[in-house]
Amino acid sequence: DAKTTQPNSMESNEEEPVHLPCNHSTISGTDYIHWYRQLPSQGPEYVIHGLTSNVNNRMASLAIAEDRKSSTLILHRATLRDAAVYYCIPESFQGAQKLVFGQGTRLTINP
Amino acid sequence: EPEVTQTPSHQVTQMGQEVILRCVPISNHLYFYWYRQILGQKVEFLVSFYNNEISEKSEIFDDQFSVERPDGSNFTLKIRSTKLEDSAMYFCASSVVYEQYFGPGTRLTVT
Repeated sequence: DAKTTQPNSMESNEEEPVHLPCNHSTISGTDYIHWYRQLPSQGPEYVIHGLTSNVNNRMASLAIAEDRKSSTLILHRATLRDAAVYYCIPESFQGAQKLVFGQGTRLTINP
Repeated sequence: EPEVTQTPSHQVTQMGQEVILRCVPISNHLYFYWYRQILGQKVEFLVSFYNNEISEKSEIFDDQFSVERPDGSNFTLKIRSTKLEDSAMYFCASSVVYEQYFGPGTRLTVT
């Protein structure tokens, strides 16, 4: 399993963009980069995934470094509901996946 | 929007008793998972299940644990003889390929 490094915590203000970094220098060539988040007292929730190109969906954008050793999850306009623990998880799509959750980044949003 | 459901939301049991945690995955999903999260700790993978058999299991998933898909809709986790250290939130998840959808969890308290 690829090792990931994320800041323990980050803080931002409502309606401002948030950039959540993740280092995954040991990622293998077949691993996708997944981001999940866990809101307080809830199960994890899928956010976004990508392989090499930057990706956008309705929740967030994912910027992947050219060497794939790091990525950044971008929340374009944070809301209070985005306060959660965010996890980046390298994992290949080869049948059933095993998501290995690290400590993640606890994001606090100030009103 | 379809969702994964889990019952019960909270289960209290005595040490040594058997418990069955139930999950109803999203209907067209093919892969099924159980994770657990001890209070204040990381989400940990337990087991993945596909085509009516276990795909992968972690070291945590020892002989005391078993999974079953008894009727094509439910997916269960059985703990044969619970220990105090089994107290945790247990999350079921299901997926087609890319995204795992997690249920709200069952809080298991072993006394």
